[in-house]
This record gives sequence, C-alpha cells and structure tokens, in this order.
Amino acid sequence: QLQLQESGPGLVKPSETLSLTCTVSGDSITGSSSFWGWIRQPPGKGLEWIGSIHYGVTTYSSPSLKSRVTISVDTSKNQFSLNLTPVTAADTAVYYCARDPTGDTRPWYFDLWGRGTLVTVSS
Amino acid sequence: QSVLTQPPSASGTPGQRVTIYCSGSSSNIGSNSVSWYQQLPGTAPKLLIHSNTQRPSGVPDRFSGSKSGTSASLAISGLQSEDEADYHCASWDDSLNGRGVFGGGTKLTVL
Repeated sequence: QLQLQESGPGLVKPSETLSLTCTVSGDSITGSSSFWGWIRQPPGKGLEWIGSIHYGVTTYSSPSLKSRVTISVDTSKNQFSLNLTPVTAADTAVYYCARDPTGDTRPWYFDLWGRGTLVTVSS
Repeated sequence: QSVLTQPPSASGTPGQRVTIYCSGSSSNIGSNSVSWYQQLPGTAPKLLIHSNTQRPSGVPDRFSGSKSGTSASLAISGLQSEDEADYHCASWDDSLNGRGVFGGGTKLTVL
C-alpha cells in the first residue's frame, strides 16, 4: 500500500532554509505518470499549494512562492524534497507531501497524503 | 485570503443533509474541475471528491459533489457525528501562469 512520510527539522531560524523530504513507500516514484506535491497549512488556516514535481524533473510551483522554492527528486531513494529559503515566521505551518495521480491540471487533485510535519520558524 | 471562498462554518443534526459551498471565478472553478477534502481534527486531508462529482473508492455515497458555473458544492446526507471535520475545496487556476488554489475551509459541526 502506497504511503508517504515527511521528515525534516521541526524548527528553523528566520532567514535560513527549510528542508523537508518525503519518502514514498509501496510504489516506485518513477513508476507512473504521477506528480508529487507539497502543500502547507499555517496553524488555524486553510491549505496552500506550494508546488509539484514529476520524476522526469518537470516542476511547477505557486507563483507567490516560486522565487524561494526548490523541489527535487531522488529516484535512488524514492524520495522528493522541498527547499524554501529564506524563511520568515509566516512560513510556520504543517507541511504535507501528497500524490497527484493525473499529472495534469485538468483534473487537478491529490489522492494520497502524508501525515504532515509541523515546521516552526523562530529564533 | 484564499482564492476560493467557503463559509467558515456549517452545522447540522444527525441524519440531516448539509451542503457546503465553494465560490470561485472564471479562471478557476469556471474553467477547471473541483475537488473536496475532509480533514478530521489533527489529521491530514483526505480526498472525498475529485473531478467535480467523482468519489474515490471507499468514500461513502452520502458524500456528493456538484458544480455550476463558478461555484461548487459538497453535499453530505444522513449526517453522522464522525462527519464533524474541516472541509476544503480546491481547483486549478489559470491565472498567473497557473496555480493550484484552495478554499479557506469550512468547519462542520454535528449538533
């Protein structure tokens, strides 16, 4: 059964880099046309899409975050990663990784999610 | 400020039918499909509806989705206490070179 698990530091200092990894188990990250995405949720607020990647290195990301975001894939480890820099307190959120099964924007949705990891930006 | 607009709260009694609405514009709901997610307290979102009306395997048929113009709705019939959760709508938006957008979420309370 396909599972996704986020990992990374729970505390990051302002102006530094937030780095998270999503490990995919139960299927190969290269085995389908799926895209793999990052979504975040600030405490008490709604969801915000960060960006998505295909193992073939096609990526697309939110225009509001694009200048600070890098999403990459490590096929040897069946993982994909998020780097966000520089961070501020406004980047404090629960970060989720998820699978986009269609690899297309029509339709666009995520059918499997990780449990999420809370990242706090504070000195 | 979310691109898609949802009411912050909704409520109903057990057995009742409740509808949650999601309002957008021509660049998102008006030209792309809508998905809905259920988020139980302290857990990750779970896909309820995709492609406006399609339920993934395992989602009860008490949950149904529809879309008309630039708005969409999620209906829950036979409301149960375990349906108490946050519900989020989402769609692709063709503006700004394309972006995924979500609503702010609706907290459903079962009275």
